[in-house]
Amino acid sequence: GAVVSQHPSWVICKSGTSVKIECRSLDFQATTMFWYRQFPKQSLMLMATSNEGSKATYEQGVEKDKFLINHASLTLSTLTVTSAHPEDSSFYICSASPLSGYTFGSGTRLTVV
Amino acid sequence: GENVEQHPSTLSVQEGDSAVIKCTYSDSASNYFPWYKQELGKGPQLIIDIRSNVGEKKDQRIAVTLNKTAKHFSLHITETQPEDSAVYFCAAASNNAGNMLTFGGGTRLMVKP
Repeated sequence: GAVVSQHPSWVICKSGTSVKIECRSLDFQATTMFWYRQFPKQSLMLMATSNEGSKATYEQGVEKDKFLINHASLTLSTLTVTSAHPEDSSFYICSASPLSGYTFGSGTRLTVV
Repeated sequence: GENVEQHPSTLSVQEGDSAVIKCTYSDSASNYFPWYKQELGKGPQLIIDIRSNVGEKKDQRIAVTLNKTAKHFSLHITETQPEDSAVYFCAAASNNAGNMLTFGGGTRLMVKP
């Protein structure tokens, strides 16, 4: 079946530094990928839609300069959290949509200290 | 935009009993309704989905029903087992390829042995 690989699975960084999270579709091409953020005991909230070869579309309230998204190929999208702060600590999950539906990555636990 | 409500937020059942989780959606254009199981620290895993041209779908102990007129759909798990314990999310999308998923708030299911 369709597989989405997400790395790293967890990362701890210092306040003010940047962190990059990768999302790869392993056995299908994804012109569109989605990035979600999930706080403890809450649902998944869509942050942005990543489109191959063009600018990402951000949801209202999500700072595009803080959460940089690059979708340079049909199998890779990256999310960079710039100048991270403790309030950015969360579980970040990517998703892609093969013809059979939506497949999610395993998530990245980001802790900013 | 789409709004998905999910109930109950927590559900505790005895092993072997059935569990039912219900969701309502607001956008009559939605035509794809997946259900995901999320275990602690992991990404959501698709367990079953249904499209708007079908009223019911079953896969072993799991079934989903859809009432388009009332705009609600439900997940039914029979003969529950302790390993069914997890958080379950319903979602809706107006296209099953490329359009974003809107998630319900989640249901924490606990199956007591």
